[in-house]
Order: sequence, then structure tokens, then C-alpha cells
Amino acid sequence: NAGVTQTPKFQVLKTGQSMTLQCAQDMNHEYMSWYRQDPGMGLRLIHYSVGAGITDQGEVPNGYNVSRSTTEDFPLRLLSAAPSQTSVYFCASSDWEGARGYTFGSGTRLTVV
Amino acid sequence: AQSVTQLDSQVPVFEEAPVELRCNYSSSVSVYLFWYVQYPNQGLQLLLKYLSGSTLVKGINGFEAEFNKSQTSFHLRKPSVHISDTAEYFCAVSDRGGSEKLVFGKGTKLTVNP
Repeated sequence: NAGVTQTPKFQVLKTGQSMTLQCAQDMNHEYMSWYRQDPGMGLRLIHYSVGAGITDQGEVPNGYNVSRSTTEDFPLRLLSAAPSQTSVYFCASSDWEGARGYTFGSGTRLTVV
Repeated sequence: AQSVTQLDSQVPVFEEAPVELRCNYSSSVSVYLFWYVQYPNQGLQLLLKYLSGSTLVKGINGFEAEFNKSQTSFHLRKPSVHISDTAEYFCAVSDRGGSEKLVFGKGTKLTVNP
């Protein structure tokens, strides 16, 4: 099925560990974004990309890195996990200007202990 | 920069009652507006969107929203809700003309009681 695929669905990390959250889309969308969702905070933008090789920071980028080597993939790297990064992470993609609305993955629930 | 305010964090209603979820936005440019729904333990699903044209927008599951430029609002309505509409609803805005960022409100939790 066409859409946005995120892996893993659940992850527990120890403080200081690093990991990569994977995101792939098969709709040939130019725009991809990473959000984190925390209770009462809505969704906050971490990083986004407007095409392969182009990324930029969102509202809450600290502690996260991204790269976009292909149109399909947009991994999110946690460099040194902290308890404050415990959250649900969503990847989303869209075509030109987001005019058709972003398509979201099913999310990754991350716990940092 | 854009911002979105959802005026109610929680809205309890009885089944078959009408509901309105309120959303106000601020932006210095023209915008696209969206409503998303998130059912428990799931991702976000697009409910409806306003891009241009008619200010009354119809979406899935019987929801509709009205764009009011003078009041910078985009309120979501449904004339008769069902238990299955219990979910969290998010209003979101993006700038026209090339801004790639979608900015979300903090969400409104709709609880439909029997």
C-alpha cells in the first residue's frame, strides 16, 4: 500500500545511546518532515526537507540530525538520547506546497530511560 | 511565522448532538488550512482542507469547516456526532507560495458520550 512507513514502532533507549528512526515513502513526494507529539503540546516540527539533499530545521531541532540522500527516505538520528526526547515521533510527506495535505506514518513511540 | 490556536483542549458532547471545534490562526501571508483527526494509538488522518475557492469545505465522516478570513478562523463542525468520532482533532496551517512547514495547534480532544 502506498504511504509513509516508519520503523520501529516502539523503542526503549538508555540515556546517551544513539539510534536512527527510519521513514520511507513511495508516493514520490518532494516534501518530508519529522514531528514529535507530546501530551498537550500538539505536534512540533523537528526537521524538514524539500527534496533530496536539502534539509532545514524546524521548531525543536536540538539533539536530532537528518539527511535526505534519496527522495524516498528521510531518517531521523538521535545523537545522544535524553529523557526529554521521550515522545511519539511522526514522519510525514507531501507533494508540492503541501496542497494535498501531508500523509503521516503510524508513528514511533520512543522511551528514553 | 504562522501560529494556530485551538480554543478548547477538551470538548465532551452527547451522541447525536452537534459539535464545533474552534481554530484560529495567525499569518502574515495567505494560507492553506487543514484539520486532521487522530484516533487512539494511531497516526493522523486528513479530515479536510481549505486551499482556495468556497469558504465552506466538506470533509470525510460528515465533518465540515468554514474559512473566515476576516476573523482568521477555521472552525470544524458536525451536525450530529457518533461515539466513533471520539478522537483528538488538530488544526494546522501552512503558508501559500512555497512554505513547506505545516504548523499545528495543540489539539482538541472530542469525547462523545452515550
